[in-house]
Amino acid sequence: NAGVTQTPKFRVLKTGQSMTLLCAQDMNHEYMYWYRQDPGMGLRLIHYSVGEGTTAKGEVPDGYNVSRLKKQNFLLGLESAAPSQTSVYFCASSFPGQASYEQYFGPGTRLTVT
Amino acid sequence: AQSVTQLDSQVPVFEEAPVELRCNYSSSVSVYLFWYVQYPNQGLQLLLKYLSGSTLVESINGFEAEFNKSQTSFHLRKPSVHISDTAEYFCAVSEGGGGADGLTFGKGTHLIIQP
Repeated sequence: NAGVTQTPKFRVLKTGQSMTLLCAQDMNHEYMYWYRQDPGMGLRLIHYSVGEGTTAKGEVPDGYNVSRLKKQNFLLGLESAAPSQTSVYFCASSFPGQASYEQYFGPGTRLTVT
Repeated sequence: AQSVTQLDSQVPVFEEAPVELRCNYSSSVSVYLFWYVQYPNQGLQLLLKYLSGSTLVESINGFEAEFNKSQTSFHLRKPSVHISDTAEYFCAVSEGGGGADGLTFGKGTHLIIQP
């Protein structure tokens, strides 16, 4: 099992450009999440999904969109990147119910917006 | 709303010394508590969790944490640290509801092991 994988690992964008981050999991997890990690801020939830075709906003959703067209994939989109979106992005997945508290994380995507 | 406070952003200790990483939470309801560890340039991994039952929980690599409801704390301890324990440690809380809305993380504590 590859677990949770993220593509790409690194990316540099100019202000105003768009991009999509891909998260894939092969554990048949129902729930998937996108977090951002900033120095001194811990992890903050951007969006999450409780199943194929469903998405919901987390703590810091502005400037991001997501889609969950397939159960194993969760895409995070930046339509018009801003320097404030420079961060490390982590995807996670879990089973539903009480097992959802154990989240499995990907290795992260380091994004720099200039 | 729930929140998590990790009182120390950085904790330096000597190898083989004991360590305690502090975590306090606030919530109006019962909570589930977690410690995650992040090794350099990696994603987070679950270290240990408290869901119910015994208030003292242990990990396979010698860490333990005790849930103290009256003090709303979930401090992480290890009696003797190793250089390989160098990492960022995150305390997290969930108020339940199946965990669908994710976890609330603290800001993290960087554990630095000095030889």
